[in-house]
Amino acid sequence: NAGVTQTPKFQVLKTGQSMTLQCAQDMNHEYMSWYRQDPGMGLRLIHYSVGAGITDQGEVPNGYNVSRSTTEDFPLRLLSAAPSQTSVYFCASSHLPQGVNEQFFGPGTRLTVL
Amino acid sequence: AQSVSQHNHHVILSEAASLELGCNYSYGGTVNLFWYVQYPGQHLQLLLKYFSGDPLVKGIKGFEAEFIKSKFSFNLRKPSVQWSDTAEYFCASFEGSQGNLIFGKGTKLSVKP
Repeated sequence: NAGVTQTPKFQVLKTGQSMTLQCAQDMNHEYMSWYRQDPGMGLRLIHYSVGAGITDQGEVPNGYNVSRSTTEDFPLRLLSAAPSQTSVYFCASSHLPQGVNEQFFGPGTRLTVL
Repeated sequence: AQSVSQHNHHVILSEAASLELGCNYSYGGTVNLFWYVQYPGQHLQLLLKYFSGDPLVKGIKGFEAEFIKSKFSFNLRKPSVQWSDTAEYFCASFEGSQGNLIFGKGTKLSVKP
């Protein structure tokens, strides 16, 4: 199993550009989530999903969209990149219920917005 | 709102020293608690978890944590650290079995050889 994979590993954008961060898992996990990690802030939840076709907002959803058309994939879209979105983004997945199952994390995407 | 506090931002120890990292959570009901570790340049890995039962939980690489309900605490300990333990450590909690994983701000551990 590849586990949780994320692409790209690094990305530089200009303010106003849009892009999609990819996340895929091959463990048939129902629950998937996106976090951003900023120095001194820990990890903050952006969006999450409990199954295909079901998504919801986390703590810091503004400026990001998600969709879940398949169990395996959970892309994160930046609609119009801003310097405040410079961060490291982690995708995670687990079986349900998510509170009693280990979350598996991807390797992260380091995004810089100029 | 549910929150997790980690009191130490950066801890510096010499090899063989004992480690204790503090973690306090806010939720008064059923809570599931976790410690994750992030080695430099790597993704988060689970160290240990507590759901119920014995409040002293043992994890990988010689780490353990003690759940003290009366203090809302879940401190991470290791009797003797190694240089390879240099990493950032995150405490996290779930309310019950639903909801989402809430992280503390993390504690950087630097171990001097």
